[in-house]
Amino acid sequence: SQTIHQWPATLVQPVGSPLSLECTVEGTSNPNLYWYRQAAGRGLQLLFYSVGIGQISSEVPQNLSASRPQDRQFILSSKKLLLSDSGFYLCAWPRPGIGYTFGSGTRLTVV
Amino acid sequence: TQLLEQSPQFLSIQEGENLTVYCNSSSVFSSLQWYRQEPGEGPVLLVTVVTGGEVKKLKRLTFQFGDARKDSSLHITAAQPGDTGLYLCAGAPGGSYIPTFGRGTSLIVHP
Repeated sequence: SQTIHQWPATLVQPVGSPLSLECTVEGTSNPNLYWYRQAAGRGLQLLFYSVGIGQISSEVPQNLSASRPQDRQFILSSKKLLLSDSGFYLCAWPRPGIGYTFGSGTRLTVV
Repeated sequence: TQLLEQSPQFLSIQEGENLTVYCNSSSVFSSLQWYRQEPGEGPVLLVTVVTGGEVKKLKRLTFQFGDARKDSSLHITAAQPGDTGLYLCAGAPGGSYIPTFGRGTSLIVHP
């Protein structure tokens, strides 16, 4: 079956600490993958998208980076978190003819 | 500038009432999707509309795609508390494969 997994579900990190969020997809190969950030209860802001291994496009310059080390793995990282990095992060997988399937999200709180 | 404008932003109604939310753009979309998101979870796809003028029904939910494929609406009949959530429209404007999302309509249905 085709599924998307995202973890961790919640994270509380101090300012200046590193970050690593992981998204993996099962049941397909070479999917396009996206990272979004969502402000409290509102729309989604596209952060990064990847069309394949090692291919990353950044939509918004910021304190975050992304990597695609494996075909079905997409990682969101930061070397030093800022308070403004707090938010709800979502990994998304567009499936032709179906729409976008989202991971369950990560609630990041930077303190 | 928001490519997809959703209205209203907030809606608080009583169980049994009808409601309509709108998703408008000045751009043409090959398709639009509607998602519902509950707090702390990723958005879940409700429907994809593809053909201008298309109407799709999902139980008490009716989705319509504008003739010019620039707008869409979601009508809920006899709303129930289980309909509570954030409703997002999304699509990739013509010539792009990067999805864009509206800011969402936050719906609360009181029992």
